[in-house]
Amino acid sequence: GAVVSQHPSRVICKSGTSVKIECRSLDFQATTMFWYRQFPKQSLMLMATSNEGSKATYEQGVEKDKFLINHASLTLSTLTVTSAHPEDSSFYICSAGGGTGVNSAFFGQGTRLTVV
Amino acid sequence: KNQVEQSPQSLIILEGKNCTLQCNYTVSPFSNLRWYKQDTGRGPVSLTIMTFSENTKSNGRYTATLDADTKQSSLHITASQLSDSASYICVVSFYNQGGKLIFGQGTELSVKP
Repeated sequence: GAVVSQHPSRVICKSGTSVKIECRSLDFQATTMFWYRQFPKQSLMLMATSNEGSKATYEQGVEKDKFLINHASLTLSTLTVTSAHPEDSSFYICSAGGGTGVNSAFFGQGTRLTVV
Repeated sequence: KNQVEQSPQSLIILEGKNCTLQCNYTVSPFSNLRWYKQDTGRGPVSLTIMTFSENTKSNGRYTATLDADTKQSSLHITASQLSDSASYICVVSFYNQGGKLIFGQGTELSVKP
């Protein structure tokens, strides 16, 4: 089946620094990728929709200047958490989909971000 | 309001027993319904995907059902194993909205020896 690879799986950074998370579709072209955030014991919360070659669409309450998304190719989307703060510590997950078909939405392994 | 509600919130069963998880949804327009298994600290892994016209789908010991009329789905796990301990998430996809998903809160399953 389709594979989505997310990197890194864990990262610890200092407050004020920026962290980049990569999401790659390994065996298919992903015109659309989604970025989610998940708090402990809660379900995934959609942060933004990333479309190849165009600006990302952010959900209400998500700061686009803090969570920079780049989807420059059909196989790679990146999420950069800028000027990270401890409250940004969370589990970030990407998913890749090529449209509305049943084979869309395969998830990456997730990235555990800890800001100290 | 587009929602996906799961029950129970958590469940503890003994190894070898069967269990059934429930999912009710009010998402419209509906495209498909998926069940995912999420281990702690990992991304969700797809178990089954069902479209409007499918009533049941199996994946090994996992069997999902869908009643599109009542907007209900269930996930039945047969002969549970310790490795089945995880969160099970019901997810509904919108039709023609670029793959946008609505997530249930998940059912936390714990299988005990």
